[in-house]
Amino acid sequence: NFMLTQPHSVSESPGKTVTISCTRSSGNIGSNYVQWYQQRPGRAPTIVISEDNHRTSGVPDRFSGSIDSSSNSASLTISGLRIEDEADYYCQSYDSSNPVVFGGGTKLTVL
Amino acid sequence: QVTLRESGPALVKPTQTLTLTCSFSGFSLSTDGMCVSWIRQPPGKALEWLALIDWDDEKYYSASLNTRLSISKDTSENQVVLTMTNMEPVDTATYYCARSWGSRRLDDWGQGTLVTVSS
Repeated sequence: NFMLTQPHSVSESPGKTVTISCTRSSGNIGSNYVQWYQQRPGRAPTIVISEDNHRTSGVPDRFSGSIDSSSNSASLTISGLRIEDEADYYCQSYDSSNPVVFGGGTKLTVL
Repeated sequence: QVTLRESGPALVKPTQTLTLTCSFSGFSLSTDGMCVSWIRQPPGKALEWLALIDWDDEKYYSASLNTRLSISKDTSENQVVLTMTNMEPVDTATYYCARSWGSRRLDDWGQGTLVTVSS
């Protein structure tokens, strides 16, 4: 089984750019797509990025996803931060033995 | 429009078996590539995937909870049922069901149902 490791929390000011990383413990990050979910307090998660870098319909283009084979990690970048971006963010991937694997989540604070 | 809704007991006692139902509309679990997963989230903690069932009745379980979980579907009723045996207080969580189609991304989620395990 592989794990996805995320920073526990990040914080940044409105208008700035923040990047959240998601590092895969084993297996190639590029072998299986990575998704990103946003979860606001008391709400179910919603998908914001699918298949590494595809924004879900309705998600602003301030959100982008990427993968880096050299660090075996995926990243979610949010530019032009807004107060409403404050939420928990989870990465998710899979392999042939594990259909769904979540990262530990990152709490984004916009202060 | 796809909707999913979880239902089940809000409170269970330790050692009891939990049975949760995911009722959905807007898609059919007999469609090629369609899957429904169960995910849980203890208060203040991370998401944890539990189980998945696909259109072909293939079933997949979390390795750490495999011996306690069972997932099944009723295609005609548009429902997926999860049972978890030998419940403990650490199993207190919000339980979600979610849909995926043709991939492993979870496109649509239910609102979740909070299950508390306490005597």
